[in-house]
Amino acid sequence: AQRVTQPEKLLSVFKGAPVELKCNYSYSGSPELFWYVQYSRQRLQLLLRHISRESIKGFTADLNKGETSFHLKKPFAQEEDSAMYYCALNPGTGAQKLVFGQGTRLTINP
Amino acid sequence: DGGITQSPKYLFRKEGQNVTLSCEQNLNHDAMYWYRQDPGQGLRLIYYSQIVNDFQKGDIAEGYSVSREKKESFPLTVTSAQKNPTAFYLCASSLAGGSSYEQYFGPGTRLTVT
Repeated sequence: AQRVTQPEKLLSVFKGAPVELKCNYSYSGSPELFWYVQYSRQRLQLLLRHISRESIKGFTADLNKGETSFHLKKPFAQEEDSAMYYCALNPGTGAQKLVFGQGTRLTINP
Repeated sequence: DGGITQSPKYLFRKEGQNVTLSCEQNLNHDAMYWYRQDPGQGLRLIYYSQIVNDFQKGDIAEGYSVSREKKESFPLTVTSAQKNPTAFYLCASSLAGGSSYEQYFGPGTRLTVT
């Protein structure tokens, strides 16, 4: 069965420091991986997807199939990055059956 | 704030009663989804639909039912058979036919059953 693990429920870093949110998955095939974010009083929204290989709001994530990881990184954290972050996996069967991790609440301290 | 709307924001019911949560979208998306969110567990898929008049069970469909009579609407009924119905429910929609499409989420409905 597919599974997504985000080992940190809470993560706190200082403004300007690097941040890394960990995501590990278990799936034998070639999954689609996503990061979704929920800012305070806003809806859950897509941050980035691995297939796009893009940087959004300074965040990047690289799919490491050998380590089955899709960690989210940003070199210099900003206060507006404080939010709840969810890693999600789609087994890639054509349907969008997302499997979400438990989420990591990121707090950026001034 | 259009896109996907869910109503009501808060819902209270007595144990043993069925309750229906509303989800409407004006994004012209073919696919719609229902998730349940519990503290510390992330989101879990209840049901999804890729086209009108068709839907499939997700990972935790027991005690829930859905219908998809219109493209814009995907109501979720929480039945009395659902053993632990108190939760936050999120509806989402996306384009269909591709596994990397973005899902757009509604604001959610918090259901409390006592």
